[in-house]
Amino acid sequence: QLQLQESGPGLVKPSETLSLSCTVSGGSISSRSYYWGWIRQPPGTGLEWIGSVYYTGSTNYSPSLKSRVAISVDTSKSQFSLTLSSVTAADTAVYYCARHDQTLSGGVDVWGQGTTVTVSS
Amino acid sequence: DIQMTQSPSSVSASVGDRVTITCRASQGISSWLAWYQQKPGKAPKLLIYATSSLQIGVPSRFRGSGSGTDFTLTISSLQPEDFATYYCQQAHSFPFSFGPGTKVDI
Repeated sequence: QLQLQESGPGLVKPSETLSLSCTVSGGSISSRSYYWGWIRQPPGTGLEWIGSVYYTGSTNYSPSLKSRVAISVDTSKSQFSLTLSSVTAADTAVYYCARHDQTLSGGVDVWGQGTTVTVSS
Repeated sequence: DIQMTQSPSSVSASVGDRVTITCRASQGISSWLAWYQQKPGKAPKLLIYATSSLQIGVPSRFRGSGSGTDFTLTISSLQPEDFATYYCQQAHSFPFSFGPGTKVDI
């Protein structure tokens, strides 16, 4: 059973860079069937798609975050990572790493448990 | 980019009720639509993919339909464990996007 686990600081200062990693276990990150993504949920609100990376390193991002976000993959470590620069309080959210399955028409069938990131001085 | 809307934003229902949630895409997405259920403090759970295909383990009272720009999620007979927030998501083209959610409560 494939599992995803987020890791990274839970508190980030305004204007600094948020960095999270997601470790893939129980399966291969190099499968052609999957995109590996990041999704966030600010307190009391809905889900926001941040972006995704393919095992080849090809990326796609939300236009609203594109200027500040980077997602990368390290297949040797079975990890993919998110960096978000120049954070503000509006970036406070639960951040989920996720697997989009192309055989399920892009649906996210595996989610990390989520990690809360607070932006505050 | 494709924008997703949902209606209603919330619905009050009782056990045994039939509940229908609508999702609309700003442009045609064929059948590239998924539905998720989220309970407080938990990660979302995939219910339906490709508009109408039930994910493994999801009860048959959940049904998805639609195509193009208009989609629906129907819960045929609401059970106590179904009280949650439901989201649609398009995966037709990048950037992927979610609807704002529909809260189903008592």
